[in-house]
Amino acid sequence: EAQVTQNPRYLITVTGKKLTVTCSQNMNHEYMSWYRQDPGLGLRQIYYSMNVEVTDKGDVPEGYKVSRKEKRNFPLILESPSPNQTSLYFCASSLWTGGDEKLFFGSGTQLSVL
Amino acid sequence: AQSVSQHNHHVILSEAASLELGCNYSYGGTVNLFWYVQYPGQHLQLLLKYFSGDPLVKGIKGFEAEFIKSKFSFNLRKPSVQWSDTAEYFCAVNSGGYQKVTFGTGTKLQVIP
Repeated sequence: EAQVTQNPRYLITVTGKKLTVTCSQNMNHEYMSWYRQDPGLGLRQIYYSMNVEVTDKGDVPEGYKVSRKEKRNFPLILESPSPNQTSLYFCASSLWTGGDEKLFFGSGTQLSVL
Repeated sequence: AQSVSQHNHHVILSEAASLELGCNYSYGGTVNLFWYVQYPGQHLQLLLKYFSGDPLVKGIKGFEAEFIKSKFSFNLRKPSVQWSDTAEYFCAVNSGGYQKVTFGTGTKLQVIP
């Protein structure tokens, strides 16, 4: 089954404790992206990647890191989480053929930073 | 930079009422437009998209949207909503060749039986 898998589904942590949210897709997609969803603000793009070793900042990259060492994986790293990073995070992927392909979304990771 | 505006933040309708959700974008060039839906507790999934051709596009579950280039709009419509349409709806835009997909702030639709 074609899917984007995120882990963990829920995460509670404390300020400053490094964490990684994993994202994996099994569709051989070139494009992968991370979003955060906050009430009243919709989805805002954090980082995106066009292919292996090619990543770029989205609209809200501060406090986040990503890597794309393999095509299928695109982990999101919070080196020193802060309470303002409490949010619902979604990973997405797409077969990029010029931007008209739909995004496939993961099930989301609800992060709480205390 | 591209941006998307959804002016209706929360809409409440009775079953069988007609629906129209507004979406306006700001970008003067070629655009790809999408509507995504997020049912309670679930991830986003595509309702419909426009990238060229007929400006009236039909999607799943009886939804349709019309691309009006002169108005920079891509409004979502459904003639008769059902309780199961209760969800949050997001408009998104990608300007051709530009690798960012920008989402609107979303519209929460509540359908009352």
